[in-house]
Amino acid sequence: QVHLVQSGAELKKPGSSVKVSCKASGDYHTVTWVRQAPGQGLEWMGGLIPVFGTTNYAQRFQGRVTISTDESTNTAYMDLRSLRSEDTAIYFCATSGTETYPFPGHWGQGTLVTVSS
Amino acid sequence: DIVLTQSPDNLSLSPGESATLSCRASQSVSSAYLGWYQQKPGQAPRLLIYGASRRATGIPDRFSGSGSGTDFTLSISRLEPEDSALYYCQQYISSPYTFGQGTKLEI
Repeated sequence: QVHLVQSGAELKKPGSSVKVSCKASGDYHTVTWVRQAPGQGLEWMGGLIPVFGTTNYAQRFQGRVTISTDESTNTAYMDLRSLRSEDTAIYFCATSGTETYPFPGHWGQGTLVTVSS
Repeated sequence: DIVLTQSPDNLSLSPGESATLSCRASQSVSSAYLGWYQQKPGQAPRLLIYGASRRATGIPDRFSGSGSGTDFTLSISRLEPEDSALYYCQQYISSPYTFGQGTKLEI
């Protein structure tokens, strides 16, 4: 059973960047980031397969988002740049193992990112 | 992008009844790459079904998934008040790995 703990809420100004962390208690095959704007549905942002070092981003976030991992601390990161008010959302990290691959079966608690001047 | 359209948007049923939630894809999705999630207010999504019909660990057998091609269904039998939630389908056949807009189930 993998337990994911995300970093705390962030308040950011438009044009700035945010880096959300996600510390995992166990091993995983892939890490995915999904966001949810207030009162809205789920939006897949991108994913990473650490063992291959391959990333896959939704086109609409290309150039603005970077997903990475630090194997030494078993922590994943999502870096989103050039923030705008529409990026205000809860950001979830999620991981999949080989059983449910590619569907993420373990989720973090979510990190609220608010973008406001 | 593959568009997933869920129906109905809202569903209100009584305890003990059965629910049928639909997910229709704008293009064919291999069954291996269709999943369902449950999300309760203030919580992260929880994986219910993957591969269209395989229950994730710990999911009661009241939840079942079926379908192929462009039409998929999540069925929930013997509804309990705790099943009140939003339910989302997701496809993993073509990036971006889109979600449906969700069905709100009220018991």
